[in-house]
Amino acid sequence: DGGITQSPKYLFRKEGQNVTLSCEQNLNHDAMYWYRQDPGQGLRLIYYSQIVNDFQKGDIAEGYSVSREKKESFPLTVTSAQKNPTAFYLCASRSQGSYNSPLHFGNGTRLTVT
Amino acid sequence: SQQGEEDPQALSIQEGENATMNCSYKTSINNLQWYRQNSGRGLVHLILIRSNEREKHSGRLRVTLDTSKKSSSLLITASRAADTASYFCATDRVGQGAQKLVFGQGTRLTINP
Repeated sequence: DGGITQSPKYLFRKEGQNVTLSCEQNLNHDAMYWYRQDPGQGLRLIYYSQIVNDFQKGDIAEGYSVSREKKESFPLTVTSAQKNPTAFYLCASRSQGSYNSPLHFGNGTRLTVT
Repeated sequence: SQQGEEDPQALSIQEGENATMNCSYKTSINNLQWYRQNSGRGLVHLILIRSNEREKHSGRLRVTLDTSKKSSSLLITASRAADTASYFCATDRVGQGAQKLVFGQGTRLTINP
């Protein structure tokens, strides 16, 4: 079955440590996205990538970094510079070339930093 | 910045009743999409309505779009307990170039058996 896999489901880290969240898709989608969701809130865009080896900052990119070396993979690193990293992180993808296409989401990674 | 604003923030109704959620936005859009999120899970796409469409149906879902008022509504008819979830609208804004969807803060819908 085609879809998006995020791992791990839960992640715990100590303050000051960098952590990388995995996102893999087998939908053959060009565009991939990372969103952050805080309790009771909507989604805020962190980074997005429309094509391999290219990515752009979203609305809240500070303290985060990404790479897009393969079409299938778009890992997100939460660095120690991110002031409030505890949140639910969602990865998504969509087919490129049309504005009228939906996002496909993974089931998220819940990150807790203490 | 949040483009979509859902209203109400929370809605609780009895099973079998209809549920209506509203979404307002600020700038011109290519399309507006509705998504559902069960607790602790990812979002699932429900329906997409293009800027030149006024109404769309999918099963028990009915979506309307009024571009003059910059608003949309999602109606779920004959609600079921399984419809309990958060519902988000998202807008694909004109001129963005990068196909970014911007989400509202969602409506938490509870269906009481």
